[in-house]
Amino acid sequence: TQLLEQSPQFLSIQEGENLTVYCNSSSVFSSLQWYRQEPGEGPVLLVTVVTGGEVKKLKRLTFQFGDARKDSSLHITAAQPGDTGLYLCAGARADKLIFGTGTRLQVFP
Amino acid sequence: NAGVTQTPKFQVLKTGQSMTLQCAQDMNHEYMSWYRQDPGMGLRLIHYSVGAGITDQGEVPNGYNVSRSTTEDFPLRLLSAAPSQTSVYFCASSSQGPAYNEQFFGPGTRLTVL
Repeated sequence: TQLLEQSPQFLSIQEGENLTVYCNSSSVFSSLQWYRQEPGEGPVLLVTVVTGGEVKKLKRLTFQFGDARKDSSLHITAAQPGDTGLYLCAGARADKLIFGTGTRLQVFP
Repeated sequence: NAGVTQTPKFQVLKTGQSMTLQCAQDMNHEYMSWYRQDPGMGLRLIHYSVGAGITDQGEVPNGYNVSRSTTEDFPLRLLSAAPSQTSVYFCASSSQGPAYNEQFFGPGTRLTVL
């Protein structure tokens, strides 16, 4: 069983739409990271959130860490075809980084 | 800097064969880790190391061995390959532990076990 569950698993939308990806767990994490992965490549870090309730913005992407540090969300405003990819959340506990199940996003022009 | 390098890029094995997946980084990072990625499963942690001479198990360590004799290298050994080990393997490194530090990933090794 995966410690971190992401939803939805797949998301297919038109350019200009907004979307939210959720990352949920029953466990507390020291921090929560979001990565994006392109086909045939390794994941690349988007952001790290550390404090419960923390909100970080990266251009059209908004990341939030839950107050209890058990969950997180990624909101994309006005999605573009360049946002297409696999989005992965990852929670840090002790010396381990545990990845979520992933959300595959496709944005059509 | 080359970052994190992995070899080979592709490998096909027969059941029962052994092999070593190589991983090297040139960023003087203390923390290194191995993940496997299966369709629909995200990445699962196999083994990790917080520094030379120190290794520990992740979520799915069975069937794999690691060692960390130098800061730069962190090879992953498959002792007796099984079809269930067919996957894409990623090596990653960071300056210190993963909680507050970016993980830099290699390009991956795609392994097929027949």
